[in-house]
Amino acid sequence: EDQVTQSPEALRLQEGESSSLNCSYTVSGLRGLFWYRQDPGKGPEFLFTLYSAGEEKEKERLKATLTKKESFLHITAPKPEDSATYLCAVQAAPQGAQKLVFGQGTRLTINP
Amino acid sequence: GAGVSQSPSNKVTEKGKDVELRCDPISGHTALYWYRQSLGQGLEFLIYFQGNSAPDKSGLPSDRFSAERTGGSVSTLTIQRTQQEDSAVYLCASSRTPNTEAFFGQGTRLTVV
Repeated sequence: EDQVTQSPEALRLQEGESSSLNCSYTVSGLRGLFWYRQDPGKGPEFLFTLYSAGEEKEKERLKATLTKKESFLHITAPKPEDSATYLCAVQAAPQGAQKLVFGQGTRLTINP
Repeated sequence: GAGVSQSPSNKVTEKGKDVELRCDPISGHTALYWYRQSLGQGLEFLIYFQGNSAPDKSGLPSDRFSAERTGGSVSTLTIQRTQQEDSAVYLCASSRTPNTEAFFGQGTRLTVV
């Protein structure tokens, strides 16, 4: 069964304090790994897609990386507006397995 | 439209009543997904549409849940004889093709009283 585990469950940082969020996955062949950001009361907002080990994507203060077993979301010099729940999801390779399997998320709080 | 639109935003219903939730995907997106997010829980897959067909219904929790999609566009999720455990946020997402990133709507918060 495809599984996604995110750690930590919650993380509090001071503004400017860099850190990383982890997403470990077990999947029968990876088609893609997706990172989303979710603010309270809103739907998830797409951030990145990673397709193969070694791939990296960047957007502003965020950088996502991928290995064969896990992905990291690095946050550099975060600001309070980066506070949100960050979700990781995988899409398995077998044809017809189009659904995204989500982790439980990491709730990130950036204190000013 | 510019994004995925869901209606209503909030729905309060009495136990035992039927409800319909609507999703308008991004124009031109062929793939459409329904997910459920319960309080403090992760996103739970319900059903996937490619065009008007639903090749994966594996996440529907019971036969009280059904969904359809018409014209390759609008989708409706119907819950019959609602129960309190159906209370959750129902999220719809669409993607240009099945292998590309999915964009989510703001969700419908369903409360069964």
